Amino acid sequence: SQELEQSPQSLIVQEGKNLTINCTSSKTLYGLYWYKQKYGEGLIFLMMLQKGGEEKSHEKITAKLDEKKQQSSLHITASQPSHAGIYLCGADMGNTDKLIFGTGTRLQVFP
Amino acid sequence: GAVVSQHPSRVICKSGTSVKIECRSLDFQATTMFWYRQFPKQSLMLMATSNEGSKATYEQGVEKDKFLINHASLTLSTLTVTSAHPEDSSFYICSAGTGGPRETQYFGPGTRLLVL
Repeated sequence: SQELEQSPQSLIVQEGKNLTINCTSSKTLYGLYWYKQKYGEGLIFLMMLQKGGEEKSHEKITAKLDEKKQQSSLHITASQPSHAGIYLCGADMGNTDKLIFGTGTRLQVFP
Repeated sequence: GAVVSQHPSRVICKSGTSVKIECRSLDFQATTMFWYRQFPKQSLMLMATSNEGSKATYEQGVEKDKFLINHASLTLSTLTVTSAHPEDSSFYICSAGTGGPRETQYFGPGTRLLVL
């Protein structure tokens, strides 16, 4: 089974709507990273969360890590077509420097 | 932020040939670089961890003789796909860390390989 689950797998929203993407781990996370990817391109780093209960925001994107450090959510407020892409969460499980990636969430925003 | 480049961005080759992909950290030194493979509509799969000055550490199921990794300097790692076959066609992405445990990884733009 996947160590890191993302939901939903895909999302289609109308421009201006809010949305949330979740990333759930079966283990305690030492660090949780959110990335955005345009199809066929590299990943763009969005945010990193390390402390339980931590919350970070950048422009219209907010990411939170729960107190138990096993679940993170990415929230986009008033979505725009420029937000479209694939959102990936990457987790530091603590044993190495490797990141384990979630399955990704494909977001489409239509006018 | 830190910038990682990859070259080439796209390559088409004949079956049986070898292809080299370069990953460079442009404005920082990376003691560790990671190589990922991504199939269409799927997540990234870590192939190997590249350590400067030492042998790469490969993930289970990744053939080290097939995917040769060289991390010759603190700013350059190369992945060579030897005797490429159509099933090796994929999107290859590298990432580099700025140093220390739990550092943020910065990703290259990726290289699309098509083996005919």
